[in-house]
Amino acid sequence: EAEVAQSPRYKITEKSQAVAFWCDPISGHATLYWYRQILGQGPELLVQFQDESVVDDSQLPKDRFSAERLKGVDSTLKIQPAELGDSAMYLCASSWGLAGVYNEQFFGPGTRLTVL
Amino acid sequence: GQQLNQSPQSMFIQEGEDVSMNCTSSSIFNTWLWYKQDPGEGPVLLIALYKAGELTSNGRLTAQFGITRKDSFLNISASIPSDVGIYFCAGRARTYKYIFGTGTRLKVLA
Repeated sequence: EAEVAQSPRYKITEKSQAVAFWCDPISGHATLYWYRQILGQGPELLVQFQDESVVDDSQLPKDRFSAERLKGVDSTLKIQPAELGDSAMYLCASSWGLAGVYNEQFFGPGTRLTVL
Repeated sequence: GQQLNQSPQSMFIQEGEDVSMNCTSSSIFNTWLWYKQDPGEGPVLLIALYKAGELTSNGRLTAQFGITRKDSFLNISASIPSDVGIYFCAGRARTYKYIFGTGTRLKVLA
């Protein structure tokens, strides 16, 4: 069964360090999403790609966060420098496209980030 | 950020009981998704709804797209211990962005 892959699964870092997360969507899915989930809350969208283009990054803290999807397939989310408040689960999801019916999002297993 | 209201926040039930939960929005949505999330894992898609009034089942799970398009409901029949987890709704309007609910935490007593 096709799945969204993410790595690493867990990351512990010290504040002010740089961290990077990787995501490989389900094959053929043009739309890729990065979410942040704080413990006890629902996921919140950070950035959304359609192929290699950013569709929505209005909630991405651009002073420290960056995301890219250079070839329109896999994607990397980076935080530099990490802050204590960045501790959370970072989830990647993918879907066939942006709009239309039968366009469900499927999530990967997530990366649990702890900033010390 | 914006989150949808889910009710109840948490519930303890006996194995074999039926469970009902709902999700409400102040905005009209044209898609509703329901997910289950286990601790330390990503959400798993359970059911997708695309039309007002639509009723869709997946095994013991049944979800409905509310007539007003501002709410959705999830029912679990004859609960079992593996139903334990957090259930999230997600709604999407004309934009391409899904808004998630605050979650319902389900605990099943054997």
